Amino acid sequence: AQSVSQHNHHVILSEAASLELGCNYSYGGTVNLFWYVQYPGQHLQLLLKYFSGDPLVKGIKGFEAEFIKSKFSFNLRKPSVQWSDTAEYFCASWRGTDSWGKLQFGAGTQVVVTP
Amino acid sequence: GAGVSQSPSNKVTEKGKDVELRCDPISGHTALYWYRQSLGQGLEFLIYFQGNSAPDKSGLPSDRFSAERTGGSVSTLTIQRTQQEDSAVYLCASSLVWVRGETQYFGPGTRLLVL
Repeated sequence: AQSVSQHNHHVILSEAASLELGCNYSYGGTVNLFWYVQYPGQHLQLLLKYFSGDPLVKGIKGFEAEFIKSKFSFNLRKPSVQWSDTAEYFCASWRGTDSWGKLQFGAGTQVVVTP
Repeated sequence: GAGVSQSPSNKVTEKGKDVELRCDPISGHTALYWYRQSLGQGLEFLIYFQGNSAPDKSGLPSDRFSAERTGGSVSTLTIQRTQQEDSAVYLCASSLVWVRGETQYFGPGTRLLVL
């Protein structure tokens, strides 16, 4: 069965530090990968997604992620975080085909950025 | 106009009672999804609708859970004879169409507490 695993449950870092959140998926078929973010008190929203083509995907707010097929990974990165990046981050993978499917989410990583 | 809305925002109920959770998707979105987020867990997929039809109900945790969608718009998730383990945040999402990789837009969730 497919699963999505996120390496860290909690990350604490200072402003201006670099951030990298790990995500691995186990499904071996066609892959669509997503990072969603939930800021405190707000809805889940899409940061970026990989569908096909360039494995380096750029998203909103300076985030990017790299799809490495050989490692089954889709790690999220940001070179310099801000206090406003404090949030919970979820990696997700589309499991299915063109005629059925669902998003499968990882357990999430809580990121706290200190001033 | 606005995003996905859900009601109630919070629900406290006694074990054994039935509850109904409502989701209003973004106008014009044909696909609708229900997820459950338990404390410390990721998002668990429950069910999705293409129009009024739910092709895959296998994600519903038990036969106490049911969902319907009428008029291709509003959806209700019903939990009968609630149990304490049903306590969670129930999230609804919608997307313009149901295709692989389509961005899902999430609502604020309904926080359910079963005493």
